Amino acid sequence: GAVVSQHPSWVICKSGTSVKIECRSLDFQATTMFWYRQFPKQSLMLMATSNEGSKATYEQGVEKDKFLINHASLTLSTLTVTSAHPEDSSFYICSARGASGRLRDTQYFGPGTRLTVL
Amino acid sequence: QKEVEQNSGPLSVPEGAIASLNCTYSDRGSQSFFWYRQYSGKSPELIMSIYSNGDKEDGRFTAQLNKASQYVSLLIRDSQPSDSATYLCAVAYTGANSKLTFGKGITLSVRP
Repeated sequence: GAVVSQHPSWVICKSGTSVKIECRSLDFQATTMFWYRQFPKQSLMLMATSNEGSKATYEQGVEKDKFLINHASLTLSTLTVTSAHPEDSSFYICSARGASGRLRDTQYFGPGTRLTVL
Repeated sequence: QKEVEQNSGPLSVPEGAIASLNCTYSDRGSQSFFWYRQYSGKSPELIMSIYSNGDKEDGRFTAQLNKASQYVSLLIRDSQPSDSATYLCAVAYTGANSKLTFGKGITLSVRP
């Protein structure tokens, strides 16, 4: 149980284009989803927290107009990197947390999306 | 500022040995404690969660929590080369709006 998927698993795009990454909880309802970014050899950096049906809360230093997050349902959140540039190349990972019991207390991670901007 | 500190690594142990990974945290209000394993190029995978003082065992893994000392550890018995990965300690409050605070991770290498 508690499986989270991401799509795509990797993407290469040209500078200036927008990229959408999907995060789905497959066997539970995710009331809260988190988006992280990880550069090589570095730790996870939380970008934003999203609750279903409300606006995302962004961490300090993360541009909300550049990283658009939509948590439209209890099983789907999307991250859109707008006008991507090479410095946005990174490993983007989502996690999801459920509504009750241990699902509420634990974050389950998706497999990640590797973004390369040329 | 909530902080989670892990031993500076890397840690190298021979196959079959016990690997001991340690973590301290600064916020006494923390209520949930997690160990994640992350293989190179992959996302974190939950290994253990612990909420109460004492030991919690799951197969070859034992998590130990001491809230008075603000200390949580992970023991891996009979270490295998497949255990070679980065181990992340994470701490959170329990509740709807809690976030995980991660340590920087420690890289474990198990020598055949």
